[in-house]
Amino acid sequence: EAQVTQNPRYLITVTGKKLTVTCSQNMNHEYMSWYRQDPGLGLRQIYYSMNVEVTDKGDVPEGYKVSRKEKRNFPLILESPSPNQTSLYFCASSPGTSGSFYEQYFGPGTRLTVT
Amino acid sequence: AQSVTQPDIHITVSEGASLELRCNYSYGATPYLFWYVQSPGQGLQLLLKYFSGDTLVQGIKGFEAEFKRSQSSFNLRKPSVHWSDAAEYFCAVGAVDFGNEKLTFGTGTRLTIIP
Repeated sequence: EAQVTQNPRYLITVTGKKLTVTCSQNMNHEYMSWYRQDPGLGLRQIYYSMNVEVTDKGDVPEGYKVSRKEKRNFPLILESPSPNQTSLYFCASSPGTSGSFYEQYFGPGTRLTVT
Repeated sequence: AQSVTQPDIHITVSEGASLELRCNYSYGATPYLFWYVQSPGQGLQLLLKYFSGDTLVQGIKGFEAEFKRSQSSFNLRKPSVHWSDAAEYFCAVGAVDFGNEKLTFGTGTRLTIIP
């Protein structure tokens, strides 16, 4: 089954404790992206990757890191989480080719709470 | 830069009634337009998309949307809603922003269905 998976689905952590949220897709997609969803703000893009070893900042990159060493994986790293990073996070992927770029497939989400 | 406005934060309709969710966008050219649905605890699922051609597009689950260039709108409609349609709906515009092909989301409309 074609899908985007994220782990963990739920995470409660404390301020300053490094964490990684994994994202994996099995569709051989070139493009991957991370979003955060906050009430009243919709989804905002954190980072994106056009292909392996190619990443760039989205609208709200502060406090986050990403890497793209393999095509299928795009982990999100919070080196020193803070309470304002409490949010619902979504990973998405798309073929990245003309006309299909914007058809993004979303993972189930990771709800992160930082205390 | 592009933007999307969903003026209705929350809409309540009776089961079997018709539905229209509003979406207005701002972009200098014709954008790619999307509607996504997010059921409780789930990721986002693509309902329908508009790239070009016929301005009335059909999607999954009996939804349709109409692109009106003169009004910069892409409203979502369904003739008869079912209880399972209760969810949050996001309109999105796909466009190039400073060289980044990205999706920009509206803030969402939460749909409640009453018996």
